[in-house]
Amino acid sequence: DQQVKQNSPSLSVQEGRISILNCDYTNSMFDYFLWYKKYPAEGPTFLISISSIKDKNEDGRFTVFLNKSAKHLSLHIVPSQPGDSAVYFCAARASYGKLTFGQGTILTVHP
Amino acid sequence: EAGVAQSPRYKIIEKRQSVAFWCNPISGHATLYWYQQILGQGPKLLIQFQNNGVVDDSQLPKDRFSAERLKGVDSTLKIQPAKLEDSAVYLCASSFSREQETQYFGPGTRLLVL
Repeated sequence: DQQVKQNSPSLSVQEGRISILNCDYTNSMFDYFLWYKKYPAEGPTFLISISSIKDKNEDGRFTVFLNKSAKHLSLHIVPSQPGDSAVYFCAARASYGKLTFGQGTILTVHP
Repeated sequence: EAGVAQSPRYKIIEKRQSVAFWCNPISGHATLYWYQQILGQGPKLLIQFQNNGVVDDSQLPKDRFSAERLKGVDSTLKIQPAKLEDSAVYLCASSFSREQETQYFGPGTRLLVL
């Protein structure tokens, strides 16, 4: 059972424009949601998180939005830069320590 | 601050052989995790330690996988015997505590079983 889904395997965006990565979940018991970025041959790097009691969290160019009624979250990157090209994973926590990850979305930002 | 360290970075073995991976978490982090990431999928939790005790190993194939965290710092993950489907990246992560939602990952060990 895939409790966390990223339905877009890839996304291509022009430099300077907005990148929007989406994630859907099924478990209403998730209390935290996180986004990780992964470059080839490296481990995932933490980007930003949001508690289930909030609907928005911002950190510089990155903003995460949470829509609990739709069980949907999204990551906005504005403006997008070529260095943002990577695989992005959303993850959710239902109990202490255990993160459930989506399949990832490959973001390519073209100069 | 040093990040999570893992070794080796790459390993190629034949099926039925055994292999071990090593992880050194961020200093002071009580909670350590091992994940398996198969190509094209997200990481999947195998086992979680709190200090030197196992908190969750429900997804660990215990007939062939074992893990330990002696002294509550370094950890090793072993596969014996390996199967072709064990080919994956094995990621180690740590967090300050179980309550902290952010986990910090090491670079991973890429395992190829032939």
